[in-house]
Amino acid sequence: AQKVTQAQTEISVVEKEDVTLDCVYETRDTTYYLFWYKQPPSGELVFLIRRNSFDEQNEISGRYSWNFQKSTSSFNFTITASQVVDSAVYFCAPDYGQNFVFGPGTRLSVLP
Amino acid sequence: GAGVSQTPSNKVTEKGKYVELRCDPISGHTALYWYRQSLGQGPEFLIYFQGTGAADDSGLPNDRFFAVRPEGSVSTLKIQRTERGDSAMYLCASSLQGKASTEAFFGQGTRLTVV
Repeated sequence: AQKVTQAQTEISVVEKEDVTLDCVYETRDTTYYLFWYKQPPSGELVFLIRRNSFDEQNEISGRYSWNFQKSTSSFNFTITASQVVDSAVYFCAPDYGQNFVFGPGTRLSVLP
Repeated sequence: GAGVSQTPSNKVTEKGKYVELRCDPISGHTALYWYRQSLGQGPEFLIYFQGTGAADDSGLPNDRFFAVRPEGSVSTLKIQRTERGDSAMYLCASSLQGKASTEAFFGQGTRLTVV
């Protein structure tokens, strides 16, 4: 099975700090998509961002940005100016064509 | 509703019993996924439907688990002879086409507890 590693189990930051969540994935594929999902305490997984393997240009969407490096199979996710409502478990999830492979998640706590 | 709906939200059953978990995907979504999530872990893939057929059932742990989607919309995950190790949150998701480029939308899950 293709493995996803999120080395940070838990992170705590103070509100308004920036925070980066790391993700490293294994793949034998040349074409794939990468996703980040958020799971707040309510339990429902919420889509955040998507990136395809063709394009390594890093982007910003509101307070979210991501750094994709195909050469190192890393897809890191940054929240700028964190807010208490950002507290959740964040999952990195590559999609190799048939289904998502979720990482173990990083629990982010944003303290007021 | 506009989102993915799962029923029941909670199910407690005795070891050895049969259970059915239901998923109503977003209208028009041809792809439907079932995942299982144990406490403190990421969701684990079970099965993927494209329309009425199971395109990939490689994640089903054993033959006690079965899922159907007879009309290409609602899906039912069926677990026979439940075991305590089956206790988990069962998540359903749907996407517009099931291609890797499209995001999946998840329901709030069914928490199954086998006692």
